[in-house]
Amino acid sequence: SQQGEEDPQALSIQEGENATMNCSYKTSINNLQWYRQNSGRGLVHLILIRSNEREKHSGRLRVTLDTSKKSSSLLITASRAADTASYFCATAAAYNQGGKLIFGQGTELSVKP
Amino acid sequence: ETGVTQSPTHLIKTRGQQVTLRCSSQSGHNTVSWYQQALGQGPQFIFQYYREEENGRGNFPPRFSGLQFPNYSSELNVNALELDDSALYLCASSPPTSGGSRNTGELFFGEGSRLTVL
Repeated sequence: SQQGEEDPQALSIQEGENATMNCSYKTSINNLQWYRQNSGRGLVHLILIRSNEREKHSGRLRVTLDTSKKSSSLLITASRAADTASYFCATAAAYNQGGKLIFGQGTELSVKP
Repeated sequence: ETGVTQSPTHLIKTRGQQVTLRCSSQSGHNTVSWYQQALGQGPQFIFQYYREEENGRGNFPPRFSGLQFPNYSSELNVNALELDDSALYLCASSPPTSGGSRNTGELFFGEGSRLTVL
């Protein structure tokens, strides 16, 4: 499969706890992005990190990128019930692939009140 | 709300039929991408249209085809439907970049069209 791997496949935590999701990919990348999807609806872009960046923050989100290990992690701090969703990483190849993003299988996050 | 609209939201077809899905991109966006998402999987790239031409294509057979119109809206056509075509079809638009179509930045997704093939 061309898709990346995400770990864990499912994660259940209590409100207020932190949630960490991991993503591994196979090819050299231009950038890596994280998206959120609620109940099979459209995806919402969360954050983009470029290949020359190692860490990025956006509100309660923190993303790290290790290009030597071809991996990334998404940390959501102080989680809320409204964070319950599926989270996907997606990579854009370093060479032009006609705009293609390769998505992982996703991590299903459940935040219990 | 991303400003990307898709129609229809749900539809049911039988094997062998043809289907057309439509997408209106966000204002100012000149690139449209289509993805197929099977149940429990991540989205898979079908193709991308940039300035009315197919800019890139994923591993999908020729019975998957598309169009982009001068107003940057787009259609996805699937002929000779198979049971495995049952999926959520997602359209995403993206704004112009300095690299033209070569840089894949943030995508703005619609809510999808859920196709069931019986």
